[in-house]
Amino acid sequence: QKEVEQNSGPLSVPEGAIASLNCTYSDRGSQSFFWYRQYSGKSPELIMSIYSNGDKEDGRFTAQLNKASQYVSLLIRDSQPSDSATYLCAVINAGKSTFGDGTTLTVKP
Amino acid sequence: DTAVSQTPKYLVTQMGNDKSIKCEQNLGHDTMYWYKQDSKKFLKIMFSYNNKELIINETVPNRFSPKSPDKAHLNLHINSLELGDSAVYFCASSQSRGLANYGYTFGSGTRLTVV
Repeated sequence: QKEVEQNSGPLSVPEGAIASLNCTYSDRGSQSFFWYRQYSGKSPELIMSIYSNGDKEDGRFTAQLNKASQYVSLLIRDSQPSDSATYLCAVINAGKSTFGDGTTLTVKP
Repeated sequence: DTAVSQTPKYLVTQMGNDKSIKCEQNLGHDTMYWYKQDSKKFLKIMFSYNNKELIINETVPNRFSPKSPDKAHLNLHINSLELGDSAVYFCASSQSRGLANYGYTFGSGTRLTVV
């Protein structure tokens, strides 16, 4: 079992729709959870961090964390073509960050 | 002002050569990392330094040797390059607080091609 698993893409949504990206992790001791966006040929960029159970909203992005289910998700509301990228889930335990394989999102105009 | 800068951006070299990649951060972060991203886009940690001290050393061939002269710099030297070393290498930095972490800032990456 992979330490961090993301729903396999690619994911395609129409412009204006909600994109839902999911991630599960295996280590119950994990403390910090992040979502990064990576455009093709660019470096990953931190877009959301979440540390406690529940929802955290930032603009059109909402991160959700459920430690009991070892699950973290990212919702993108009102998806725009500029949101088309690969989204990486990262989980930190004891100072070490493990990344998922990424989910590629395409938002079609 | 670039927060995490890596040089060079592209590196094409022959098998067997030795090469170095340099990284500098001006964010005042205490921890720096090297990650390798392969052709399938999987990001795998290689090394991590906290205040110049090596804290993470993953299963990486000993041809790879990191060096941190101070907490703002982390370099990566690779000896006897092999075809399988071709990848994008990302430097990153972060600020830690105990076991918590505030997320990484990545450099722009170095695309290494070994021919």
